Amino acid sequence: EPEVTQTPSHQVTQMGQEVILRCVPISNHLYFYWYRQILGQKVEFLVSFYNNEISEKSEIFDDQFSVERPDGSNFTLKIRSTKLEDSAMYFCASRGTAANTGELFFGEGSRLTVL
Amino acid sequence: SQELEQSPQSLIVQEGKNLTINCTSSKTLYGLYWYKQKYGEGLIFLMMLQKGGEEKSHEKITAKLDEKKQQSSLHITASQPSHAGIYLCGAAKNSGNTPLVFGKGTRLSVIA
Repeated sequence: EPEVTQTPSHQVTQMGQEVILRCVPISNHLYFYWYRQILGQKVEFLVSFYNNEISEKSEIFDDQFSVERPDGSNFTLKIRSTKLEDSAMYFCASRGTAANTGELFFGEGSRLTVL
Repeated sequence: SQELEQSPQSLIVQEGKNLTINCTSSKTLYGLYWYKQKYGEGLIFLMMLQKGGEEKSHEKITAKLDEKKQQSSLHITASQPSHAGIYLCGAAKNSGNTPLVFGKGTRLSVIA
């Protein structure tokens, strides 16, 4: 069964360091998303990406964040200078259909701990 | 912005009992998604509802969307320990490529 894969599963970093979280969406999908979930809180939207550009982003997704699809398979989330409050589980998701009519597949998540 | 309210926040049921989780929006929903999350893990898709009055079932889980498309319920029949986890409802604002927004989740525990 096709799945979204994320690496690393857990990363510990020092405040101020750059972090890159990687995702391999399902191969024929075209719409990609990053969400985050701070421990004990709701899943929050960060950014959506289609056709090699950001299609929508939330207030959380400030200048410290960036996304990229460097090749045909990977989709990355970069945090330039991590803060303590960036500690969260980050989920990548992908969708094959153009509209909100199909399943949104999530990866297992990357847990980021900022010390 | 669209907010989704889930109730109850947590639920403890005895194995074999039925239960219902609700998800309510103040605005009309285009699509309503139900996911299950085990602690510290990813979101597993359960069902998606789009039409007012729609009902879908998978194994012992049934989800309904009301006629006004503002409220959905998830019903589990004869609960089992494998049903334990956090149930999240997510909703789409429109038919375009807009992201889902999620409720805070309902934590379900099933005791033997």
